[in-house]
Amino acid sequence: SSELTQDPAVSVALGQTVRITCQGDSLRRYYANWYQQKPGQAPVLVIYDKTNRPSGIPDRISGSSSGNTASLTITGTQADDEADYYCNSRDSSGYHVVFGGGTRLTVL
Amino acid sequence: QVQLEESGPGLVQPSETLSLTCTVSGYSITSHNYWGWIRQPPGKGLEWIGSVYHRGSADYNPSLKSRVTISIDTSKNQFSLKLSSVTAADTAVYYCARRTGAPEWFDPWGQGTLVTVSS
Repeated sequence: SSELTQDPAVSVALGQTVRITCQGDSLRRYYANWYQQKPGQAPVLVIYDKTNRPSGIPDRISGSSSGNTASLTITGTQADDEADYYCNSRDSSGYHVVFGGGTRLTVL
Repeated sequence: QVQLEESGPGLVQPSETLSLTCTVSGYSITSHNYWGWIRQPPGKGLEWIGSVYHRGSADYNPSLKSRVTISIDTSKNQFSLKLSSVTAADTAVYYCARRTGAPEWFDPWGQGTLVTVSS
């Protein structure tokens, strides 16, 4: 099991707001990054350094953090947002990269 | 625009060594500090394998460290992965990616290559 814990599945109604969380002790010290992965495709970075968006990522996707939990929030969710989302950060030792187990987002 | 592409055998025999190469185009591999490998077993999540510094040093996932070697060839603008003593559990899509920042993020990624371990 990963040192970063994510809910396996989350669903959201079209146009609504959804929050996907990532929990882990290391998140008290390190920021999280987030990736979107659609079926058959490579992951795409959507949030880095807790809150920053790479160019081309819409501003309705945002990141935040509190305590041991990092969050990815999507507002005005669109059908195209349906994907798997992964967080990553450092492990509890602080020396190695780790990924969360992933959250499958379903848009209803 | 930096692009990465994985290459290597799609089928590896159990107990043998998996070898993959990542070719970086549109960007000098020495212009950036770290490059990494990540894998994804079918239907499962992402697992960091390790990363290599452009000057040659590397760090590895502790769970794979005894079997993994990642190296870099700046003359060819490539970096490589070797995973020894493979079993069916090593069957996965293997991705290479550019690693940045601390804590590290990966961007961009190659399209991935499926490696199946089977006799």
